[in-house]
Amino acid sequence: DILMTQSPDSLAVSLGERATINCKSNQSVLYSYNNKNYLAWYQQKPGQPPKLLITWASARESGVPDRFSGSGSGTDFTLTINSLEAADVALYYCQQYHTFPPTFGPGTKMDLK
Amino acid sequence: EVQLVESGGGLVQPGRSLTLSCLASGFTFDDYAMHWVRQVPGKGPEWVSGISWKSGSKGYADSVKGRFTISRDNGKNSLYLQMNSLRPEDTAFYFCAKDAKRGYSYGYHFDSWGQGTLVTVSS
Repeated sequence: DILMTQSPDSLAVSLGERATINCKSNQSVLYSYNNKNYLAWYQQKPGQPPKLLITWASARESGVPDRFSGSGSGTDFTLTINSLEAADVALYYCQQYHTFPPTFGPGTKMDLK
Repeated sequence: EVQLVESGGGLVQPGRSLTLSCLASGFTFDDYAMHWVRQVPGKGPEWVSGISWKSGSKGYADSVKGRFTISRDNGKNSLYLQMNSLRPEDTAFYFCAKDAKRGYSYGYHFDSWGQGTLVTVSS
């Protein structure tokens, strides 16, 4: 199975500031035939299921604010949240869907400073 | 609006069985693969099992293979997970999740989730 790791485990960011979450896979999740990274990001708030934010490493789902952006390729990826809002306090998970079985990272907890 | 509503969770003794159900609405159910994903509070989600749109293909995590069986009834817009020989390590919230990719193959990423049902395996 592809192992996903995330850093930091938790971070606290002030309102209006930028937050950066990193995700690494122990194998590449890039398919060269279509040049796509099979990497998704999810947001999970307390008592709720995960919500899909980003697919293909950088494509925002419909309705996701453009403050959220994804980047990276191969084995190293980043989720950036610009101009942090109180509503962004949550857990964030990356997930690879390149290789069966799909696997998730352990999560990064985002709090307000 | 997509809605997925799980049911069937509860407290069960080790070695016993439980069946989870998920009722779907708001989309054409038989156009999509469906999945079960579980999560222990405080940990990352774990994919458990998936089934293709017409049930022709089913997949399982190694941790549940041979013990869990996924099925669906497209006429009832429903997804099921039969869980046998339950172990304490199966304790988790179980989510029904819709595959993000429409059609016969799996996308293996999940664009809609139910609220989850808690399964507790304990004597």
